Amino acid sequence: DAGVTQSPTHLIKTRGQQVTLRCSPKSGHDTVSWYQQALGQGPQFIFQYYEEEERQRGNFPDRFSGHQFPNYSSELNVNALLLGDSALYLCASSFGNTIYFGEGSWLTVV
Amino acid sequence: GIQVEQSPPDLILQEGANSTLRCNFSDSVNNLQWFHQNPWGQLINLFYIPSGTKQNGRLSATTVATERYSLLYISSSQTTDSGVYFCAVEVDSWGKLQFGAGTQVVVTP
Repeated sequence: DAGVTQSPTHLIKTRGQQVTLRCSPKSGHDTVSWYQQALGQGPQFIFQYYEEEERQRGNFPDRFSGHQFPNYSSELNVNALLLGDSALYLCASSFGNTIYFGEGSWLTVV
Repeated sequence: GIQVEQSPPDLILQEGANSTLRCNFSDSVNNLQWFHQNPWGQLINLFYIPSGTKQNGRLSATTVATERYSLLYISSSQTTDSGVYFCAVEVDSWGKLQFGAGTQVVVTP
């Protein structure tokens, strides 16, 4: 049984560009959450998806948007990239009280 | 929002030593988890521990919910224990996590 898988693992983008990150949850997990982890800090909650709807959102601007598909996989989109968006983006899938994290996508904005 | 503070921020241990990591939180929470982040970035859950004490091999954790703190004990540390340890509290029933800033642990041979 595969765990949480994320793609791409590393990417470099230019300021002002847009990026899409993808996440496949662990089998049977219906809830996907996204976190941003800047260098030297703890992960910060971006938003959570359940039944294809954004259920709750952290303190992130509208440039950050997402989507969940019927198979529970999810995408995180960031528009108009800023240098400060450089971070590790983590996807977590959960079912009930159990949560698993993927290995993350390392985004560098230059 | 809930504040989560971890101490110490950094810890250097010689192989075989024991250590204690602390997590303080500012309000009552649904649950508390400890994670280990490996050098490649993956977070691995170590404990779900809203209260009481749990042990898993050389690791154990204690949460005193009434006093709003949790402790993670590492005994007989090994080089593979190196990494960043995070405490995270569940701030709602949907599992939203609020993380601390982490403790960077380096275990030297």
